[in-house]
Amino acid sequence: DTAVSQTPKYLVTQMGNDKSIKCEQNLGHDTMYWYKQDSKKFLKIMFSYNNKELIINETVPNRFSPKSPDKAHLNLHINSLELGDSAVYFCASSHLTGDGYTFGSGTRLTVV
Amino acid sequence: RKEVEQDPGPFNVPEGATVAFNCTYSNSASQSFFWYRQDCRKEPKLLMSVYSSGNEDGRFTAQLNRASQYISLLIRDSKLSDSATYLCVVAMNTGFQKLVFGTGTRLLVSP
Repeated sequence: DTAVSQTPKYLVTQMGNDKSIKCEQNLGHDTMYWYKQDSKKFLKIMFSYNNKELIINETVPNRFSPKSPDKAHLNLHINSLELGDSAVYFCASSHLTGDGYTFGSGTRLTVV
Repeated sequence: RKEVEQDPGPFNVPEGATVAFNCTYSNSASQSFFWYRQDCRKEPKLLMSVYSSGNEDGRFTAQLNRASQYISLLIRDSKLSDSATYLCVVAMNTGFQKLVFGTGTRLLVSP
Protein backbone atom coordinates (compact mmCIF):
# COMPACT_ATOMS: atom_id res chain seq x y z
CA ASP A 1 0.00 0.00 0.00
CA THR A 2 1.26 3.46 -0.88
CA ALA A 3 1.65 5.51 2.30
CA VAL A 4 1.48 9.04 0.82
CA SER A 5 0.02 9.15 -2.66
CA GLN A 6 -0.20 12.13 -4.97
CA THR A 7 -2.06 12.54 -8.22
CA PRO A 8 -1.30 13.27 -10.94
CA LYS A 9 2.33 12.23 -11.21
CA TYR A 10 2.87 14.49 -14.24
CA LEU A 11 0.95 17.59 -15.23
CA VAL A 12 1.61 19.68 -18.34
CA THR A 13 -0.60 22.72 -18.78
CA GLN A 14 -0.72 26.12 -20.40
CA MET A 15 -0.12 29.45 -18.72
CA GLY A 16 -3.24 30.94 -17.24
CA ASN A 17 -4.93 27.61 -16.53
CA ASP A 18 -6.16 26.47 -13.11
CA LYS A 19 -5.10 23.03 -11.87
CA SER A 20 -5.27 20.88 -8.75
CA ILE A 21 -2.96 18.30 -7.22
CA LYS A 22 -4.37 15.77 -4.77
CA CYS A 23 -2.65 14.09 -1.83
CA GLU A 24 -3.82 11.32 0.46
CA GLN A 25 -2.06 9.50 3.30
CA ASN A 26 -3.03 6.26 5.02
CA LEU A 27 -0.47 6.44 7.84
CA GLY A 28 -2.84 7.87 10.45
CA HIS A 29 -0.80 11.09 10.60
CA ASP A 30 -2.46 14.30 11.74
CA THR A 31 -0.18 16.74 9.89
CA MET A 32 0.31 17.18 6.17
CA TYR A 33 2.56 19.43 4.11
CA TRP A 34 3.19 20.76 0.62
CA TYR A 35 6.76 21.37 -0.54
CA LYS A 36 8.02 22.82 -3.81
CA GLN A 37 11.29 21.69 -5.43
CA ASP A 38 12.41 24.10 -8.13
CA SER A 39 14.70 23.61 -11.11
CA LYS A 40 17.76 24.13 -8.89
CA LYS A 41 16.55 21.24 -6.71
CA PHE A 42 15.89 23.52 -3.72
CA LEU A 43 13.11 21.99 -1.60
CA LYS A 44 11.03 24.51 0.34
CA ILE A 45 7.92 24.20 2.46
CA MET A 46 4.78 25.96 1.26
CA PHE A 47 1.96 24.94 3.62
CA SER A 48 1.20 22.67 6.52
CA TYR A 49 -2.11 21.53 7.97
CA ASN A 50 -2.77 19.84 11.30
CA ASN A 51 -6.17 18.18 11.67
CA LYS A 52 -7.52 20.28 8.80
CA GLU A 53 -6.23 23.53 10.30
CA LEU A 54 -3.58 25.64 8.56
CA ILE A 55 -0.45 25.91 10.75
CA ILE A 56 2.26 26.94 8.30
CA ASN A 57 1.80 29.35 5.42
CA GLU A 58 5.10 30.44 3.97
CA THR A 59 5.34 33.37 1.58
CA VAL A 60 3.45 31.81 -1.29
CA PRO A 61 1.41 33.71 -3.91
CA ASN A 62 -2.30 33.63 -3.11
CA ARG A 63 -2.85 31.87 -6.45
CA PHE A 64 -1.96 28.77 -4.44
CA SER A 65 -4.77 27.58 -2.20
CA PRO A 66 -4.49 24.42 -0.11
CA LYS A 67 -7.59 22.59 1.04
CA SER A 68 -7.81 19.86 3.64
CA PRO A 69 -11.23 18.16 3.69
CA ASP A 70 -10.04 15.78 6.43
CA LYS A 71 -6.75 14.95 8.10
CA ALA A 72 -5.91 12.26 5.55
CA HIS A 73 -6.17 14.58 2.53
CA LEU A 74 -4.45 17.81 1.53
CA ASN A 75 -5.06 19.15 -1.96
CA LEU A 76 -3.35 22.05 -3.68
CA HIS A 77 -5.20 24.26 -6.14
CA ILE A 78 -3.26 26.68 -8.32
CA ASN A 79 -4.98 29.49 -10.21
CA SER A 80 -3.65 31.37 -13.23
CA LEU A 81 -0.58 29.19 -13.66
CA GLU A 82 2.69 30.94 -14.55
CA LEU A 83 5.88 29.64 -16.14
CA GLY A 84 7.67 30.03 -12.79
CA ASP A 85 5.27 27.56 -11.18
CA SER A 86 6.98 24.75 -13.09
CA ALA A 87 8.52 22.52 -10.41
CA VAL A 88 8.08 19.26 -8.58
CA TYR A 89 5.52 19.50 -5.79
CA PHE A 90 5.86 17.03 -2.92
CA CYS A 91 3.21 16.21 -0.38
CA ALA A 92 4.33 14.85 2.99
CA SER A 93 2.75 13.78 6.24
CA SER A 94 3.85 13.18 9.82
CA HIS A 95 2.67 13.23 13.40
CA LEU A 96 2.57 16.78 14.77
CA THR A 97 5.87 16.16 16.57
CA GLY A 98 7.47 15.30 13.24
CA ASP A 99 7.71 11.55 13.89
CA GLY A 100 7.31 9.40 10.79
CA TYR A 101 7.82 12.19 8.27
CA THR A 102 7.03 10.60 4.86
CA PHE A 103 7.01 12.16 1.40
CA GLY A 104 4.85 11.32 -1.56
CA SER A 105 6.51 10.56 -4.88
CA GLY A 106 5.95 14.07 -6.23
CA THR A 107 3.97 15.77 -8.99
CA ARG A 108 6.04 17.18 -11.83
CA LEU A 109 4.24 20.32 -13.05
CA THR A 110 5.29 21.89 -16.34
CA VAL A 111 3.69 25.15 -17.42
CA VAL A 112 4.11 25.99 -21.09
CA ARG B 1 22.28 33.81 3.71
CA LYS B 2 20.52 30.46 3.25
CA GLU B 3 19.25 28.81 6.44
CA VAL B 4 21.03 25.57 5.60
CA GLU B 5 24.15 25.59 3.43
CA GLN B 6 25.81 22.66 1.69
CA ASP B 7 28.47 22.22 -0.95
CA PRO B 8 26.45 21.18 -4.04
CA GLY B 9 29.26 18.96 -5.38
CA PRO B 10 29.25 16.73 -7.27
CA PHE B 11 31.60 14.55 -5.32
CA ASN B 12 33.03 11.91 -7.66
CA VAL B 13 34.55 8.98 -5.76
CA PRO B 14 35.54 5.40 -6.62
CA GLU B 15 33.85 2.42 -5.02
CA GLY B 16 35.28 1.71 -1.60
CA ALA B 17 36.25 5.31 -0.89
CA THR B 18 35.33 7.24 2.23
CA VAL B 19 33.54 10.53 1.61
CA ALA B 20 32.42 13.28 3.99
CA PHE B 21 29.73 15.92 3.55
CA ASN B 22 29.38 19.04 5.63
CA CYS B 23 26.52 21.37 6.31
CA THR B 24 26.09 24.58 8.30
CA TYR B 25 22.86 26.09 9.59
CA SER B 26 22.13 29.67 10.57
CA ASN B 27 19.34 29.39 13.14
CA SER B 28 20.78 28.58 16.55
CA ALA B 29 17.25 27.72 17.78
CA SER B 30 17.18 24.66 15.51
CA GLN B 31 16.52 21.54 17.54
CA SER B 32 16.32 18.56 15.23
CA PHE B 33 18.75 17.53 12.55
CA PHE B 34 18.61 14.96 9.79
CA TRP B 35 20.24 13.67 6.66
CA TYR B 36 17.89 12.77 3.83
CA ARG B 37 18.76 10.99 0.60
CA GLN B 38 17.11 11.86 -2.71
CA ASP B 39 17.56 9.73 -5.80
CA CYS B 40 17.06 11.28 -9.24
CA ARG B 41 13.38 12.00 -9.89
CA LYS B 42 12.36 10.50 -6.56
CA GLU B 43 11.14 11.83 -3.24
CA PRO B 44 13.50 12.56 -0.31
CA LYS B 45 13.83 9.71 2.17
CA LEU B 46 15.16 9.86 5.70
CA LEU B 47 18.68 8.45 5.92
CA MET B 48 19.32 9.15 9.58
CA SER B 49 18.71 11.56 12.42
CA VAL B 50 21.70 13.43 13.83
CA TYR B 51 22.42 13.72 17.54
CA SER B 52 24.96 15.73 19.50
CA SER B 53 26.56 12.51 20.69
CA GLY B 54 27.02 11.40 17.10
CA ASN B 55 25.39 8.33 15.67
CA GLU B 56 26.32 5.53 13.35
CA ASP B 57 24.23 3.30 11.11
CA GLY B 58 26.35 0.73 9.31
CA ARG B 59 28.67 2.56 6.93
CA PHE B 60 27.11 5.95 7.74
CA THR B 61 28.17 8.21 10.61
CA ALA B 62 26.55 11.56 11.41
CA GLN B 63 27.88 14.23 13.75
CA LEU B 64 26.42 17.45 15.10
CA ASN B 65 28.37 20.37 16.54
CA ARG B 66 25.85 22.77 18.05
CA ALA B 67 28.46 25.35 19.03
CA SER B 68 29.67 25.65 15.43
CA GLN B 69 26.19 24.98 13.96
CA TYR B 70 27.74 22.31 11.82
CA ILE B 71 26.53 18.87 10.74
CA SER B 72 28.50 16.18 8.97
CA LEU B 73 27.88 12.85 7.26
CA LEU B 74 30.61 10.29 6.67
CA ILE B 75 30.12 7.39 4.29
CA ARG B 76 32.66 4.58 4.47
CA ASP B 77 33.30 1.93 1.82
CA SER B 78 31.15 3.70 -0.80
CA LYS B 79 28.91 1.55 -2.99
CA LEU B 80 27.59 2.33 -6.45
CA SER B 81 24.12 2.41 -4.88
CA ASP B 82 25.17 5.32 -2.65
CA SER B 83 25.07 7.61 -5.70
CA ALA B 84 22.36 10.16 -4.87
CA THR B 85 21.86 13.67 -3.52
CA TYR B 86 22.26 14.00 0.24
CA LEU B 87 20.14 16.68 1.86
CA CYS B 88 20.99 18.28 5.19
CA VAL B 89 17.80 19.13 7.07
CA VAL B 90 17.12 21.09 10.25
CA ALA B 91 13.90 21.71 12.15
CA MET B 92 12.62 23.76 15.05
CA ASN B 93 10.12 21.96 17.23
CA THR B 94 7.85 24.88 18.03
CA GLY B 95 4.83 22.69 18.71
CA PHE B 96 5.00 21.39 15.17
CA GLN B 97 7.84 20.51 12.87
CA LYS B 98 8.81 22.45 9.76
CA LEU B 99 11.76 20.93 7.91
CA VAL B 100 14.25 23.31 6.33
CA PHE B 101 16.30 21.68 3.59
CA GLY B 102 19.75 22.44 2.28
CA THR B 103 20.19 22.39 -1.48
CA GLY B 104 21.86 19.00 -1.28
CA THR B 105 25.25 17.51 -2.12
CA ARG B 106 25.42 15.21 -5.10
CA LEU B 107 27.49 12.04 -4.77
CA LEU B 108 28.59 9.95 -7.74
CA VAL B 109 30.27 6.63 -6.96
CA SER B 110 32.02 5.04 -9.91
CA PRO B 111 33.32 1.48 -10.45
